[in-house]
Amino acid sequence: RKEVEQDPGPFNVPEGATVAFNCTYSNSASQSFFWYRQDCRKEPKLLMSVYSSGNEDGRFTAQLNRASQYISLLIRDSKLSDSATYLCVVAQVGGNTPLVFGKGTRLSVIA
Amino acid sequence: NAGVTQTPKFQVLKTGQSMTLQCAQDMNHNSMYWYRQDPGMGLRLIYYSASEGTTDKGEVPNGYNVSRLNKREFSLRLESAAPSQTSVYFCASSEVLQGAFLWNTIYFGEGSWLTVV
Repeated sequence: RKEVEQDPGPFNVPEGATVAFNCTYSNSASQSFFWYRQDCRKEPKLLMSVYSSGNEDGRFTAQLNRASQYISLLIRDSKLSDSATYLCVVAQVGGNTPLVFGKGTRLSVIA
Repeated sequence: NAGVTQTPKFQVLKTGQSMTLQCAQDMNHNSMYWYRQDPGMGLRLIYYSASEGTTDKGEVPNGYNVSRLNKREFSLRLESAAPSQTSVYFCASSEVLQGAFLWNTIYFGEGSWLTVV
């Protein structure tokens, strides 16, 4: 099993739709979780951290399920500008261990 | 507010040539990283430097060397470029809160597009 797995997509959704992505991780010692967004030919940028209690930022909601070892990202009221690749990122205890990136899920929001 | 700056942005090399990718960050971060990104492969760690004076191999270190010149700068060198090293290279940096088991945001440079012919 790979360390961090994501459905590559693409997810093609109409404007205004709600879409959800899941990401599974294999290391139960993982402590920190993030969602990054990467636009075509650009660098990845932090979208949001994922906290144990779940967190929301506007139209975006992130959840963590430690028992099943997955994190999720929910996007409500999708906008054309949400079209991008979403990367799941997992870090392990200890701090010096590098972050592990998923390969990303591609989202296309269609007018 | 520059963040992470890497140069060059584009480079074409002939097989066997050498080159160095430069990276500098102005956020006073301890940790710096070099990743490569290839279609369908995602981001793969080449080398990282947890703190000034230390470097460690990542997932795909073969064919590369690194130097952590000081706290700000972390360079990646290709000694003898091969077509398999054609890729987009990203430098990144982060601050790590030891003891709190919490990673802060990792910031990326804009990328360097390298083609080896």
